[in-house]
Amino acid sequence: SQQGEEDPQALSIQEGENATMNCSYKTSINNLQWYRQNSGRGLVHLILIRSNEREKHSGRLRVTLDTSKKSSSLLITASRAADTASYFCATDWGGSEKLVFGKGTKLTVNP
Amino acid sequence: GAGVSQTPSNKVTEKGKYVELRCDPISGHTALYWYRQSLGQGPEFLIYFQGTGAADDSGLPNDRFFAVRPEGSVSTLKIQRTERGDSAVYLCASSPTTGTQPQHFGDGTRLSIL
Repeated sequence: SQQGEEDPQALSIQEGENATMNCSYKTSINNLQWYRQNSGRGLVHLILIRSNEREKHSGRLRVTLDTSKKSSSLLITASRAADTASYFCATDWGGSEKLVFGKGTKLTVNP
Repeated sequence: GAGVSQTPSNKVTEKGKYVELRCDPISGHTALYWYRQSLGQGPEFLIYFQGTGAADDSGLPNDRFFAVRPEGSVSTLKIQRTERGDSAVYLCASSPTTGTQPQHFGDGTRLSIL
């Protein structure tokens, strides 16, 4: 069964706008990761945030983590058409080695 | 190559047949993971290896599924007596060691059971 739930399931925005995706999970975690997947391709790691961190930045990406609410958000600023992809959050289920993914948010950035 | 390589990229076979899916991880990566992704879903964990041994196979759906990594590098996922419900994209990932770190994914094998 899947641990995380992303919302929205789909998001369509214009180039230059910001995109925010949310993820909720169920069990305790050591870390949470965000991945991106282009159609027909494998997943690409974007950012990892540990359970003792509240916010992390990488380029145009900003990730927050609220362990009390068991939720995380991914913000992509100044979006580009090339950001069009599906975005997944993944957690280590109770600190285990395997990643447990949500169903993803499909982001479309219109030029 | 620089990334995780999976072959074949596509596999179409008939129900009841046996299939093997191959994963060639990034050189030097000791941890290797298999996931299955159905349409519109996130990847679901199947099994992971640390070196040659399967450290966690709790995600394998039933005994028709088996995976090996005999020399601690290339891994093969084997599916016996395939069923139409096995149709999915099978993804492989590797990481330098186990523990809290990013996993590097291949592009997957799209398996279609007719």
